[in-house]
Amino acid sequence: KQEVTQIPAALSVPEGENLVLNCSFTDSAIYNLQWFRQDPGKGLTSLLLIQSSQREQTSGRLNASLDKSSGRSTLYIAASQPGDSATYLCAAPSQGGSEKLVFGKGTKLTVNP
Amino acid sequence: DAGVIQSPRHEVTEMGQEVTLRCKPISGHDYLFWYRQTMMRGLELLIYFNNNVPIDDSGMPEDRFSAKMPNASFSTLKIQPSEPRDSAVYFCASRPPTGFASTDTQYFGPGTRLTVL
Repeated sequence: KQEVTQIPAALSVPEGENLVLNCSFTDSAIYNLQWFRQDPGKGLTSLLLIQSSQREQTSGRLNASLDKSSGRSTLYIAASQPGDSATYLCAAPSQGGSEKLVFGKGTKLTVNP
Repeated sequence: DAGVIQSPRHEVTEMGQEVTLRCKPISGHDYLFWYRQTMMRGLELLIYFNNNVPIDDSGMPEDRFSAKMPNASFSTLKIQPSEPRDSAVYFCASRPPTGFASTDTQYFGPGTRLTVL
């Protein structure tokens, strides 16, 4: 059974700092992994999707990496801004190529001006 | 596109009442997912459909919960009778057909916040 864990649960940083959010998963037979952002009172928005054949995926100041062998993914945010404040969730398929996603509980990020 | 549409956005009801949540997926998407989010348990998948057919309902907590998708543009999640422990935010999400690798992601609606008193 796939389990997804995110550490830390909350993180507070000053504006401009580079930071890393961590995600670990138990079943490494996955074909992709996704990172989502959730703003208070809103739904989830997809940020990055990494295919199993890739090791990294980049979008603007965001970079996500995937290491299937160790069951880990990281989301790197460069030069953080107050607008980056949100909860970040990672999600892995419950079984290999399943459409079912298992979500971590998220990391709540606060970027202070 | 308007994105995934959910209604109502907020629902307050009393224990024992029937609750119906509604979802309109993005046009052209053939997968539809219902999730529940609570502080304690996080985001949990309840059920998902493909081409209007329920594929996996193993996450539905009990017989009080039911979901239907009568056509490609509408789905409902019904709770009857509702209980206080059903209080949560319920999300609907849709996804394009498999094979569009760059768009394998799910698109979430804004959610329905349900409070059962």
